Amino acid sequence: SAVISQKPSRDICQRGTSLTIQCQVDSQVTMMFWYRQQPGQSLTLIATANQGSEATYESGFVIDKFPISRPNLTFSTLTVSNMSPEDSSIYLCSVVGGDYGYTFGSGTRLTVV
Amino acid sequence: AQKITQTQPGMFVQEKEAVTLDCTYDTSDPSYGLFWYKQPSSGEMIFLIYQGSYDQQNATEGRYSLNFQKARKSANLVISASQLGDSAMYFCAMRENYGGSQGNLIFGKGTKLSVKP
Repeated sequence: SAVISQKPSRDICQRGTSLTIQCQVDSQVTMMFWYRQQPGQSLTLIATANQGSEATYESGFVIDKFPISRPNLTFSTLTVSNMSPEDSSIYLCSVVGGDYGYTFGSGTRLTVV
Repeated sequence: AQKITQTQPGMFVQEKEAVTLDCTYDTSDPSYGLFWYKQPSSGEMIFLIYQGSYDQQNATEGRYSLNFQKARKSANLVISASQLGDSAMYFCAMRENYGGSQGNLIFGKGTKLSVKP
């Protein structure tokens, strides 16, 4: 099954700044998913990233706020731009590949102050 | 649209006892997959068990079993012989299908399980 290295594991950021989260997969995968988990809430899909094409964003999420890079089949980044305290969440990447199809990164716990 | 419902925000169980976490789902797709994940306070998502819509038998993985009642659209997780380390958030999830391809997972709101010594 696929193994994902997600960095950073946690960060504390000032409002108005940006943070880029990286996910490196140990095998080639077609689709990568980015989720947000606000405190005490469930996971919500931000966008789906396919290599070589623009990411597809879910309702309520826009590219200017959450730009995604997918330069190849093993790597992707999610940037949280112009952060506010409301962006404090756990961000997780996931790929199709693993136990019955899905593997998750270990998550990035973001606190915006 | 597909939907997952978990109606128990929190549950308590005595150590060594069994506990059932409820999950109902809604989909019009005849082919679907149901998952349970455990999320400890560290935030990682740990896969527990999977049930396919065409599976004839209920899935089991060690102390975890899935009580799959297709007609009622329920997929309850049963944890036997609870341990203190089972204290965590538990999420039920369904795979979305995009024209036969595997799409993303959609998650329920989760149930916080606390195991008492």
